[in-house]
Formats: sequence, structure tokens, C-alpha cells
Amino acid sequence: QVLLQQSGPGLVKPSQTLSLTCAISGDSVSSNGVAWDWIRHSPSGGLEWLGRTYYRSKWYNDYAVSVKSRITINPDTSKNQFSLHLKSVTPEDTAVYYCARRRSGVGLAFDIWGQGTKVTVSS
Amino acid sequence: EIVLTQSPGTLSLSPGERATLSCRASQSVSNYLLAWYQQKPGQAPRLLIYGASSRATGIPDRFSGSGSGTDFTLTISRLEPEDFAVYYCQQSGTSSLSFGGGTTVEIK
Repeated sequence: QVLLQQSGPGLVKPSQTLSLTCAISGDSVSSNGVAWDWIRHSPSGGLEWLGRTYYRSKWYNDYAVSVKSRITINPDTSKNQFSLHLKSVTPEDTAVYYCARRRSGVGLAFDIWGQGTKVTVSS
Repeated sequence: EIVLTQSPGTLSLSPGERATLSCRASQSVSNYLLAWYQQKPGQAPRLLIYGASSRATGIPDRFSGSGSGTDFTLTISRLEPEDFAVYYCQQSGTSSLSFGGGTTVEIK
């Protein structure tokens, strides 16, 4: 059984960096055929994809255009986890953040999700 | 970027009724890369349908997906009480992806 366990602060001050971690059990961050993504659900209601990291003989990242200048997603093979870092946050970054696994065996859909972390950007 | 437009925004139905949800893409989407999710308050989304028409593991057969190109449909044949939720379509592009805005299925 694959599980994703998220951790990180629920409150971040404006202009600071939002950092979350997603620990993987039952799979490997280096597995072929999967990608490890971050998605957020804003108070306005929409789901927004933020980016992904994946391994295909070497590490790759893709980021959403909307956050590309501020985001970094890093794999950590020693701890079998991956992290999200979003710098220079504003109140518009307030959302529930999810990590998720995307798998080629299900048409690159998200078949496993973390429990979600509610992050509020406020001073 | 491919924009996904879902309609209607809200669907008010009674248990036992049939629900038909639409997802329209701004340009053609590979069937293989179109998915549907269900989300309930306080929970993460759950994968229902992948590849436009394949049910994910453990999903009841009252859920079905169809469509191709730019028009896709999620059908719930007979609504059960636990099916009242928000539904999202999603497409995976080469290096990006997008979600639709969601359809809320509420109890009439």
C-alpha cells in the first residue's frame, strides 16, 4: 500500500518561503513510470497544479508557468521523500497543498494523494 | 496551456437519479490522458476514471467516462448518498497539466 505523509507549517508570513515535505512509503521517489507532484486547492475553489519531479536515468522537474519563478521541488532519495519550496509568498498563496503520485499505468493520473496541508499566508 | 471547462457548475439531483457531467477542452486531448476525480469536503481528491473511460481500482460501476477529442463526459448512473461531492476533470500534457473548474453535485 502506497502512502504519502505530508509535513510542514500551517502558517507562513508574507515574503517568506513556504516549505512542505511529502514522505513516501510503499514506493520509491526514484521509481520509473511515476512522477511526484504538488497541487494546491485555493479558497476560490480551483485545483491548481504546481509542479513535479521524476526520475528517468536522471532527475527532471516541470513547473507551472504561474509559479515557475518562485518554486523548487526537490527529491530526497536518502529519506524517500520530496519537498516543495515556494518563495516570496503572498496571501494569494493561501491554500490547501497536496502532494500526489502520478503514474503511467493509469494514464498519468494522480492515483495516490497526501492528506493535505492547509497553509495560511498572513503576518 | 489547455483549458478545461466543466459544466454545469452545480447539478441539483435526488438520490437514484442519473448525473451527467461535461468537460470541454480548449484543444484536443489524448483520451489516454484525461481523468476524473471526486472530492469531498476536508478530503483529498480521489481518482475515479483514467484514460477517459477506465475505472480506477475500487470504483463502483455506476461511474462511467466517455468522450474523445475536446468533449468528455462523466456519468453516474444512479446517485447514491455518498456521491454528492465535487467532481473535477484533469488532463496531462507533455510538461504541464490542468484541472477543470469543477462541478458540484448537490442533493436536491
